[in-house]
Amino acid sequence: GAGVSQSPRYKVTKRGQDVALRCDPISGHVSLYWYRQALGQGPEFLTYFNYEAQQDKSGLPNDRFSAERPEGSISTLTIQRTEQRDSAMYRCASTPTGDTQYFGPGTRLTVL
Amino acid sequence: GQQLNQSPQSMFIQEGEDVSMNCTSSSIFNTWLWYKQDPGEGPVLLIALYKAGELTSNGRLTAQFGITRKDSFLNISASIPSDVGIYFCAGPLNRDDKIIFGKGTRLHILP
Repeated sequence: GAGVSQSPRYKVTKRGQDVALRCDPISGHVSLYWYRQALGQGPEFLTYFNYEAQQDKSGLPNDRFSAERPEGSISTLTIQRTEQRDSAMYRCASTPTGDTQYFGPGTRLTVL
Repeated sequence: GQQLNQSPQSMFIQEGEDVSMNCTSSSIFNTWLWYKQDPGEGPVLLIALYKAGELTSNGRLTAQFGITRKDSFLNISASIPSDVGIYFCAGPLNRDDKIIFGKGTRLHILP
């Protein structure tokens, strides 16, 4: 596709369930970032990859959060044992090289 | 940790007015990025700055990379209704470092 895509666009889950959020970056983009954005706030860095290598995961809130990009393209952000405080918009962005990020539409996660 | 501080948090202006907002950090940045986010959408890059003192324009938007490398500002001239949204500054501290965002400046245009 022409842009970054994310799925699902909306996810409602019960507390304690695991969720997997998918990001499909622009073809050929080297870097892939995950952010979490609360309503009215700026994107909060979670983790990023160059190709398949996870370069920095310092923004992941705790060990319930993990991410992978096994073939250097599609990435999955997994949240285990979800809690209500995990509810937010999760955004993915990819970059060719350098710093110009292209953001996806986001996945709105609601934990009941 | 590293933080980007944006001011003002919100602005209420009349259509046609010029707008100025800034972003500061206690750390040196090598790149400054300005994004705009419309409601329900992801941020979209407006301007990227790569050198201290650099002044770059994109239509009615002008941004400058501060000499100290610790600040940047964004100006919008002759605002129009579609300028409404949230403006974020962002940047990596170093090449290949994580890109962090400020909390944004919310621009409102009064009818």
